Parts: sequence; structure tokens; C-alpha cells
Amino acid sequence: GNSVTQMEGPVTLSEEAFLTINCTYTATGYPSLFWYVQYPGEGLQLLLKATKADDKGSNKGFEATYRKETTSFHLEKGSVQVSDSAVYFCALSAQNTGFQKLVFGTGTRLLVSP
Amino acid sequence: EPEVTQTPSHQVTQMGQEVILRCVPISNHLYFYWYRQILGQKVEFLVSFYNNEISEKSEIFDDQFSVERPDGSNFTLKIRSTKLEDSAMYFCASKATEAFFGQGTRLTVV
Repeated sequence: GNSVTQMEGPVTLSEEAFLTINCTYTATGYPSLFWYVQYPGEGLQLLLKATKADDKGSNKGFEATYRKETTSFHLEKGSVQVSDSAVYFCALSAQNTGFQKLVFGTGTRLLVSP
Repeated sequence: EPEVTQTPSHQVTQMGQEVILRCVPISNHLYFYWYRQILGQKVEFLVSFYNNEISEKSEIFDDQFSVERPDGSNFTLKIRSTKLEDSAMYFCASKATEAFFGQGTRLTVV
């Protein structure tokens, strides 16, 4: 079946450090890939997405590249801020479900200290 | 900016009681979803709804669960007889080209 695996958290960084959150997936065909973010007390917000191999999604300084050969969609940011502290979810929607439902990873909590 | 609204934000209920979780999707969206997240676990798909009927449901979505769009704006999830293991955060989402999520309802069954 379709699944997403994320690195365990929490990830603790100092402000301006480089961030990588690993995400790999299992899916038939060519899924669409997403990163969602959940800030404290808020809902899930779409951060970025990529719909085909080698596409790079980017938003708010975050980026992730759809790597078909390694079935990965790692999230990166060059310089994190305290305001980036949140839980980050990798997700996919698959061809065999008509790209309707989302399959999520477990989420990775990011804590950024000043 | 349009948003998905969920009420209540937190609900505490006794085991065996019925609960209704409410959602107001974004007005021009056609696809609606419920997901849940048990504390410390993955966000799990429960059900999708399109054209006034369920289009897909997961194994979790058994006969104790039902969804309804009673008045063309609200989208509700009903749990008929709650169990302790139903305690979770429940997220509603609506979609045109991409899914927008509400803030969630934390359901605590005691």
C-alpha cells in the first residue's frame, strides 16, 4: 500500500542553522507529494508540493525536491527562525486513489531556539 | 483568506455517548474529508465525501461513524457510541485543487 516515512523528532536547532527533515515514500505510479506544517494551536497548512519527478516545491524559504529514484521528498531550509518551530508532515496522494485522499507521515516536531 | 472552520475546538464526552463534530468547508470546494490523529501517531484518513455521498472510507470508518452535509454549508462527523480509543484530534478538510484543513477538534472520551 501507499505509505510515508519521516524521521523521528524532535529536531532541535539554533536560529540560522540548516534544516533537513527526511521523508521517503512508497506508492504505485507517480504520487503527488506534499509538506504540511502545523503551528501550535493551529490546523494543518500546506507548505509546499510537487507533482512530478524532479519538481522542486518551495515556499517561505523551505524547499523539497521530488526524487523518484530514491523515492524521497526531503524538506530543507537554509536558515531556520524561531518562528519555524512547528510540526512538519510529509504526505502523498496517489494515482490509485485518484489523487484524493492524503497519506501522512507521523510528523516531525521542529524546535528552534534563539 | 478563506478557511475551513471546525467546532468545537475541544470536546469531552463519556464513553457510549454520541458526538457530532462540525465543519464549515470553503464555500466553492467540492471534496470534503475527515482525518484523525491519535496522540503521537499518524494523521489517518477516515472518509471522503463528494456530490453528497461517501466516495471512499477507511477501515477505521465503521458503522459507528457517519458523515452528513445537512444544509449545503456544514459537514459533520457523527460518532454514535464513543469508545475510549476514539480519543484523538479530528481534522476536517476541503479541496478544490489542494486540501485545506481546519484547526481540528480534540475529542476526549472518558
